Order: sequence, then C-alpha cells, then structure tokens
Amino acid sequence: QKEVEQNSGPLSVPEGAIASLNCTYSDRGSQSFFWYRQYSGKSPELIMFIYSNGDKEDGRFTAQLNKASQYVSLLIRDSQPSDSATYLCAPYSGAGSYQLTFGKGTKLSVIP
Amino acid sequence: EPEVTQTPSHQVTQMGQEVILRCVPISNHLYFYWYRQILGQKVEFLVSFYNNEISEKSEIFDDQFSVERPDGSNFTLKIRSTKLEDSAMYFCASRMEGLPYNEQFFGPGTRLTVL
Repeated sequence: QKEVEQNSGPLSVPEGAIASLNCTYSDRGSQSFFWYRQYSGKSPELIMFIYSNGDKEDGRFTAQLNKASQYVSLLIRDSQPSDSATYLCAPYSGAGSYQLTFGKGTKLSVIP
Repeated sequence: EPEVTQTPSHQVTQMGQEVILRCVPISNHLYFYWYRQILGQKVEFLVSFYNNEISEKSEIFDDQFSVERPDGSNFTLKIRSTKLEDSAMYFCASRMEGLPYNEQFFGPGTRLTVL
C-alpha cells in the first residue's frame, strides 16, 4: 500500500514570505514526484516534477528530494495571495500506467 | 492550448440510477485516467486505460464501474447503480506515452451528486 503523508494545514504565511510544504512517502520504489496545486473546486494542475535527489528550481518554486529519507518538499518564495491553494504531493514508481497516488494535500493561505 | 474536457460539469442523479461521465482527452495522448475526490478528501485513483483496455484499477473500481473509449475521442466512466457514497468530483486525466515524468493533464471535473 503506497502511503503519502502531508501536513493538512492550514499553513498560513504572510505575503512575501517563504512557504514550506512537506511530504513523506512509504514506497521506496517511488522514483519521481509531482507537486500539483489545487484551487478550491478546481482540478489539480502541475507545478513541479522532480526525480533526482537534491533541489530543482522553477521560478519562485523549489522542489527538494531526499530519497534516502523518503521525503520531498516544496518551497514557495515571495508567496503571493494567488498561491493560496491546496498543494498535493504525488509520487509514482515509474512502472505500470503511471497513475498518481496523491497525499491529502496541504492547504496554504497567504495573508496579504 | 490543448486541454482535457469533461461533461457534464454537474450531474445530479437518484440512488440506483446509472450515470455516464464523459471526457475528451488531449488528442495525441495515449494514457487515460479517472480519479475521484470526495468532498474534503484526497484525490483517489480509480482506473487507467491504455491501448483500448484497462491497464490498472484501484480497489474502489468495483463491478459497478466501467470505462470505455467508444470512438477515437471520447473516454467515458459509467457507474451502473449509483450509491450515496459515489457523490464526489470525478476527474479525467490524460498523458502522452513515453517518459515517466510526462505530465498528466486533468480535466475540470464532473461533480456527481447522488440523492
């Protein structure tokens, strides 16, 4: 059984601050990780993908992966009110049909 | 920009009735998926479809559920006899074949309400 654990929050940060979102996973076979953002009532949309240990940066977003610790995180720099959403971590093993196993997500609220 | 579309956006049905949720994946994509999200809960995988057959399914996807690609563009999810607990948002997704990190693109979802 693949398990993905995320702090459900809500995580509140002031505008302009760094938001840090964390995710742990149980499946050691997980090779790659997606971070999706989901606004209330909307579908998930992809923010970041990471498959190598270390950091990956894309604009204001940085994903960090530590496979030995089975831990992946997402940092959002210069947080904006428009970043207020639920952030979903989704690893997959890279085998089979590549379906995603989502965590419950962390609800982020950026306070103006 | 290509996108996954889903119809209807909201479906209300009576318990025990059959419903069909429709999706049009992105045209050059080859993997298709259905996920559901019960209100306030996580997005859960239901089924994946590739090469005109189910490739994987979760334990949620029991005999009440079926999927079909009736033509070259539509991908449907049928629930034969709906239950109250089937009330959820249903998302269709598609992805290209190839690299494992190819993005899954999600449709806007169909909100199913079973009364």
